[in-house]
Amino acid sequence: QKEVEQNSGPLSVPEGAIASLNCTYSDRVSQSFFWYRQYSGKSPELIMSIYSNGDKEDGRFTAQLNKASQYVSLLIRDSQPSDSATYLCAPTFYNQGGKLIFGQGTELSVKP
Amino acid sequence: DTAVSQTPKYLVTQMGNDKSIKCEQNLGHDTMYWYKQDSKKFLKIMFSYNNKELIINETVPNRFSPKSPDKAHLNLHINSLELGDSAVYFCASSPEGQGAKNIQYFGAGTRLSVL
Repeated sequence: QKEVEQNSGPLSVPEGAIASLNCTYSDRVSQSFFWYRQYSGKSPELIMSIYSNGDKEDGRFTAQLNKASQYVSLLIRDSQPSDSATYLCAPTFYNQGGKLIFGQGTELSVKP
Repeated sequence: DTAVSQTPKYLVTQMGNDKSIKCEQNLGHDTMYWYKQDSKKFLKIMFSYNNKELIINETVPNRFSPKSPDKAHLNLHINSLELGDSAVYFCASSPEGQGAKNIQYFGAGTRLSVL
């Protein structure tokens, strides 16, 4: 089992819809969770971080964390074509030197 | 001003050559990282340094050697380049190497092509 798993997609949603991106992780003591967005040919950029169970909202983005289920998700409301990118889930675990362990990424395509 | 800058942006070289990639951050962060993103877009940690001290050294061939002359710089030297080394290499930095809020900022990447 991979440490971090995401649906590779592509996930296609119409403009204005809600895009739901999911991530599960292996049974280790998790510390923090990050969602990065990566446009084709560009570097990853941080869009959300979440550290405790529950929801965290930032503009059109909502991160949801459930440590008991080893699950973290990212919801994008009112999806725009400019949201089309690969979304990378990256938790960190205790005693791992702070390294990000990336999932394989979910490619999102928002159709006008 | 670019926060995390890498040079060169593109690097095309022959098998067997030795090459270096440089990284500098002006964010005042203590920790810097090197990641490799392969052709399948999978992003994996290679090394991290905290204030010039090696913290993370993943299972990477010893042809790869990081060097940190000061906490604002982390360079990557690669000896005897192989075809499989072709990838995009990203440098990143964070204000702290440990802790719950270890937010990392990435450079633009160096696309290495080994012919």
